[in-house]
Amino acid sequence: SQTIHQWPATLVQPVGSPLSLECTVEGTSNPNLYWYRQAAGRGLQLLFYSVGIGQISSEVPQNLSASRPQDRQFILSSKKLLLSDSGFYLCAWTPGTGDQETQYFGPGTRLLVL
Amino acid sequence: AQSVAQPEDQVNVAEGNPLTVKCTYSVSGNPYLFWYVQYPNRGLQFLLKYITGDNLVKGSYGFEAEFNKSQTSFHLKKPSALVSDSALYFCAVSKYSGGGADGLTFGKGTHLIIQP
Repeated sequence: SQTIHQWPATLVQPVGSPLSLECTVEGTSNPNLYWYRQAAGRGLQLLFYSVGIGQISSEVPQNLSASRPQDRQFILSSKKLLLSDSGFYLCAWTPGTGDQETQYFGPGTRLLVL
Repeated sequence: AQSVAQPEDQVNVAEGNPLTVKCTYSVSGNPYLFWYVQYPNRGLQFLLKYITGDNLVKGSYGFEAEFNKSQTSFHLKKPSALVSDSALYFCAVSKYSGGGADGLTFGKGTHLIIQP
């Protein structure tokens, strides 16, 4: 069966520091991968999605970036964090073929920027 | 552009009573509709989806949802609520894109509180 991991689970970072959040999927190959941000326990905002290694689509321009160095690894980064980057970051995946609409979410990373 | 509206921030239901969480959507073409549940400090769990076919969709934990094309609605229902159903519920829509990889558009979420 497929599983999705995110780490760290919680992160407290000072303003202006760099960021790296990691997401990995097991038990599948060539998944579509997504990064979302959830602010204040409410709606989700799609940040990035990827259909393959090195292929990243950005939905919202901001100081975050994403990379996909391996088939089942998706990384969210920032060079300099802002206070407004605080939130709950969720990674999700769908199969690369077949049912590509149902997204399955990881446990999330809670980021607090101080 | 596609959008989802969940008109209620919070729904309160007594345990054992039926529950309904409302969702309306806007999308050009045929919609894919989803319900997810989120417990505190956890990721979203998939409950059910409508793609095509029968307008009444059954999902996990006894939940079901009814697709109504004329009213552009996809309300979540359960015949008898449990205290453990208390959580944050999200409705989401995706435009059918022939197997593409677009993300879902989520509603703002509805807090469901089941009172013992």
